[in-house]
Amino acid sequence: NAGVMQNPRHLVRRRGQEARLRCSPMKGHSHVYWYRQLPEEGLKFMVYLQKENIIDESGMPKERFSAEFPKEGPSILRIQQVVRGDSAAYFCASSLGGYYNSPLHFGNGTRLTVT
Amino acid sequence: KNEVEQSPQNLTAQEGEFITINCSYSVGISALHWLQQHPGGGIVSLFMLSSGKKKHGRLIATINIQEKHSSLHITASHPRDSAVYICAVKGTGNQFYFGTGTSLTVIP
Repeated sequence: NAGVMQNPRHLVRRRGQEARLRCSPMKGHSHVYWYRQLPEEGLKFMVYLQKENIIDESGMPKERFSAEFPKEGPSILRIQQVVRGDSAAYFCASSLGGYYNSPLHFGNGTRLTVT
Repeated sequence: KNEVEQSPQNLTAQEGEFITINCSYSVGISALHWLQQHPGGGIVSLFMLSSGKKKHGRLIATINIQEKHSSLHITASHPRDSAVYICAVKGTGNQFYFGTGTSLTVIP
């Protein structure tokens, strides 16, 4: 399966722990986007990355959240010291071209539950 | 006010009906995407368009740039079409805006 792979599918963390969400883009795609979907709400943009660069992080909370897309390996969305309000579905998408001018391919998401 | 507005929010149809979901936006755009989110949560990109009309199977998407409006049509609807349909637009900068989605239920 050459689609966008996200893991884990479900993640449970206690308050104060760290959550690491992984996204492997489609083969050949170097543009990755992360979105968050809070319960009963629509998708919200978080961050747009290209290999080794953060292009746009205007949707990322200023504290506790960080993202990277290293030269080798998957993109990582990291949430430190999680709180209950971080419970959401986190989706990753990738594209061949940048800035949404190419079709997006989504992963199945990681559902984070903070207890 | 949201940059992207969808209507209706919820839609129930009988199997076989023709369905239209509307999307209006208030920003200048270079591309518009229609997404489908299944009950299990996965998201599928249905269309990306910047002008005119695209067709894929029973799905048709149209966009009118002057009126800042797009429609997604489903012909001969089927229960498996039940999902949330999301309109998203790329602004002329690097911003990407999502509608809140239209929840479609098709009854057998």
